[in-house]
Amino acid sequence: SYELTQPPSVSVSPGQTASITCSGDKLGDKYACWYQQKPGQSPVLLIYQDNKRPSGIPERFSGSNSGNTATLTISGTQALDEADYYCQAWDSSTVVFGGGTKLTVL
Amino acid sequence: QITLKESGPTLVKPTQTLTLTCTFSGFSLSTSGVGVGWIRQPPGKALEWLALIYWDDDKRSSPSLKSRLTITKDTSENQVFLTMTNMDPVDTATYYCAHYGSGLGRAFDIWGQGTMVTVSS
Repeated sequence: SYELTQPPSVSVSPGQTASITCSGDKLGDKYACWYQQKPGQSPVLLIYQDNKRPSGIPERFSGSNSGNTATLTISGTQALDEADYYCQAWDSSTVVFGGGTKLTVL
Repeated sequence: QITLKESGPTLVKPTQTLTLTCTFSGFSLSTSGVGVGWIRQPPGKALEWLALIYWDDDKRSSPSLKSRLTITKDTSENQVFLTMTNMDPVDTATYYCAHYGSGLGRAFDIWGQGTMVTVSS
């Protein structure tokens, strides 16, 4: 079965850039999307179709996808960005989520 | 404005069948390209996709749970149902339903608040 691998945790200082990766076989040939989930809340779609932001998502969130890796980049990270982040893609007719990355803003 | 809300039992016994209902508003499941998916999350763990039903009644399920899952819809009532048989304590999780749009790169753009289901005797 298809797997998406994310680092369990990433740390970043306020104001700096955070990058969260998502790896999967030929992931660049598929669309990747990203969700943010804060404690006790439902996931929120941040990025779809590799690099598109739904309305209302701040410009500091961006995405890219090439080769075997999709990357979520958060520019000018703020304390309120501390959350779990999940990537998601489709493999044939199956939805696959990554294992999630906990972003800590130190 | 799209909203979704999950409902169902909070506690089920092992071996029982779970039935969850997703009641939504703000869109129609008869619109081309639209779907509703179910995703669950055990406490402290990652998201796990369960099933998806499309506007044309096409259905997809997680291969690892396919034999236990049934997803159906009532378009006139704006509801989607998920049935999971033979429940086990490892199925304890928050269950979410979410709006799916093919025009969104096949992503889930709006999620319900989730409903916590505990499996215990």
